[in-house]
Amino acid sequence: AQSVTQPDIHITVSEGASLELRCNYSYGATPYLFWYVQSPGQGLQLLLKYFSGDTLVQGIKGFEAEFKRSQSSFNLRKPSVHWSDAAEYFCAVGPGGYNKLIFGAGTRLAVHP
Amino acid sequence: EAGVAQSPRYKIIEKRQSVAFWCNPISGHATLYWYQQILGQGPKLLIQFQNNGVVDDSQLPKDRFSAERLKGVDSTLKIQPAKLEDSAVYLCASSLESLNEQFFGPGTRLTVL
Repeated sequence: AQSVTQPDIHITVSEGASLELRCNYSYGATPYLFWYVQSPGQGLQLLLKYFSGDTLVQGIKGFEAEFKRSQSSFNLRKPSVHWSDAAEYFCAVGPGGYNKLIFGAGTRLAVHP
Repeated sequence: EAGVAQSPRYKIIEKRQSVAFWCNPISGHATLYWYQQILGQGPKLLIQFQNNGVVDDSQLPKDRFSAERLKGVDSTLKIQPAKLEDSAVYLCASSLESLNEQFFGPGTRLTVL
């Protein structure tokens, strides 16, 4: 069965520091992979997606993610975190693309000034 | 362009009571999703509509949950009777078609006492 694991429940970083959020997936074929962000009281917003091709994908708000098939990972990165990045981040796999998304449990990011 | 609208934003009920949530998708979006997001977990798909027909309701607890999408636009999700474990945020999302990006509403936070 498909599944997504986000090993870190909470992460705290200082403003201006770099960030990496981990995501591991379990899926038999090449998956469609996504990162979403959820700010308090808001719905989920798509940060970026990987469907095929270049394994380093760029997203909105300065985020990027790298697909590593050998490690079954799709980690999210940002070189310099802003206080406004404090939110919850969800990795998801979509066996059919955007359809039938399976989400990880999320990583809550806190940013210290 | 208006986003996905949901109401109410918050609801507190006692167990065994009934409750209903409403969702108005983005205009023109044929596909509508309801997700359940329990605290500490990622969103889980409950039901997917294509226009006014159900595409997937395999994870909907049909003994107590029901949903409809009359006229292929607005949708309501009902719980009757509610249990303590139904406490969660209920997210509605819509997309142009099932293979397109999903856009999420702000959710309804349900607390069952």
